[in-house]
Amino acid sequence: SYVLTQSPSVSVAPGQTARIACGGDDIGTKNVHWYQQKPGQAPVLVVYDDRDRPSGIPERISGSNSGNTATLTISGVEVGDEADYYCQVWDSRSENVVFGGGTKLTVL
Amino acid sequence: QLQMQESGPGLVKPSETLSLTCTVAGDSISRSSPYWGWIRQPPGKGLEWIGTVSYDGYTSYNPSLKSRVTISVDTSSYQFSLRLTSVTVADTGVYYCARRQSPAVDINFDSWGPGTLVTVSS
Repeated sequence: SYVLTQSPSVSVAPGQTARIACGGDDIGTKNVHWYQQKPGQAPVLVVYDDRDRPSGIPERISGSNSGNTATLTISGVEVGDEADYYCQVWDSRSENVVFGGGTKLTVL
Repeated sequence: QLQMQESGPGLVKPSETLSLTCTVAGDSISRSSPYWGWIRQPPGKGLEWIGTVSYDGYTSYNPSLKSRVTISVDTSSYQFSLRLTSVTVADTGVYYCARRQSPAVDINFDSWGPGTLVTVSS
């Protein structure tokens, strides 16, 4: 089955740029989606199809995808960005929705 | 504005069946919003897709859960439901219902219910 790998944690200072990676075999050929989940809340879709943002998501949140790594980038990080972030793909071979293990973003 | 709400027992005994319902408000389960799903999250862990149902009853399931899962839809009641049989403690977690984005290139979920905690314990 297809596996998505994320680092457990990322820490950045306010105002800096956070990059959250999602690794997978040839992930650049898939559409990657990203969710933000704050404690006690449901996930929120923040990026879909590698780089598109749903309405209401600020432009400082962006996504990219190439080769074996997809990346969620948050510019000008704010305290309110502290959350767990999950990547997700559809694996057509196994006909399964696959989530990464999640990355906890801490704002120092 | 779309709102979804999960409902069902918060406690289920091992070997029994977990049953949850998601009620949709502010949208209809129809051709315009055709796909709806269930995702779960064990305590302190990541997300796991359970399955998806279409407005006309077509289903797709996580291969690892397929033998125990049934998802059904009742468009007239604006509801869709989850049944998971033969539960164990490993099925404990928060269960979310969600709307699959449509139209979309492939599967992602653009709106989620608040989630409901289901504990499997005797």
